[in-house]
Amino acid sequence: AQSVAQPEDQVNVAEGNPLTVKCTYSVSGNPYLFWYVQYPNRGLQFLLKYITGDNLVKGSYGFEAEFNKSQTSFHLKKPSALVSDSALYFCAVSQTDSWGKLQFGAGTQVVVTP
Amino acid sequence: DGGITQSPKYLFRKEGQNVTLSCEQNLNHDAMYWYRQDPGQGLRLIYYSQIVNDFQKGDIAEGYSVSREKKESFPLTVTSAQKNPTAFYLCATQKGTDTQYFGPGTRLTVL
Repeated sequence: AQSVAQPEDQVNVAEGNPLTVKCTYSVSGNPYLFWYVQYPNRGLQFLLKYITGDNLVKGSYGFEAEFNKSQTSFHLKKPSALVSDSALYFCAVSQTDSWGKLQFGAGTQVVVTP
Repeated sequence: DGGITQSPKYLFRKEGQNVTLSCEQNLNHDAMYWYRQDPGQGLRLIYYSQIVNDFQKGDIAEGYSVSREKKESFPLTVTSAQKNPTAFYLCATQKGTDTQYFGPGTRLTVL
């Protein structure tokens, strides 16, 4: 079985400061890892993914994430947060033998204050 | 959201009624998915279809039904057997093993 944990319900950060949203996962086998962002009453927007290769993945809007196999983590980062980054962020995982079935974390609300 | 349309945006259902949510895509993606989103619970998979005329149950299929008669369309019916249907419903599509892309969602409320 696969699972995802986002340990923080909410992250508060001042504009211009670094932003980190945490994600840990559990799968049997090699994971596919994803980050999505959701604005109120909207669908999910894809930010980035890790399939294989370089552990540091760069995505949309200046976001990046680092895959850490030993710690089974895939934390999302942005060096300098913007007020417009305020949204709900989801981490998701699937296994290589069931690639279509994504398991989502509960989500982390990011609040960036001016 | 481009290429995936969900309608209606808002839907109200009376107790005991069946309602159907529409999902249409023009991305030529083979696979389509239905998720349910409740506050604080992330997304949960209801049904998915990897090819036309075939679909599988997800984690919370009870009280829901689907069909996949065309590649472009994957409607979801919320039946009266679903006891707590009030939620935000999201449709997604996927080509091969690539990323899943999501539609704008339908918010269903039971009156």
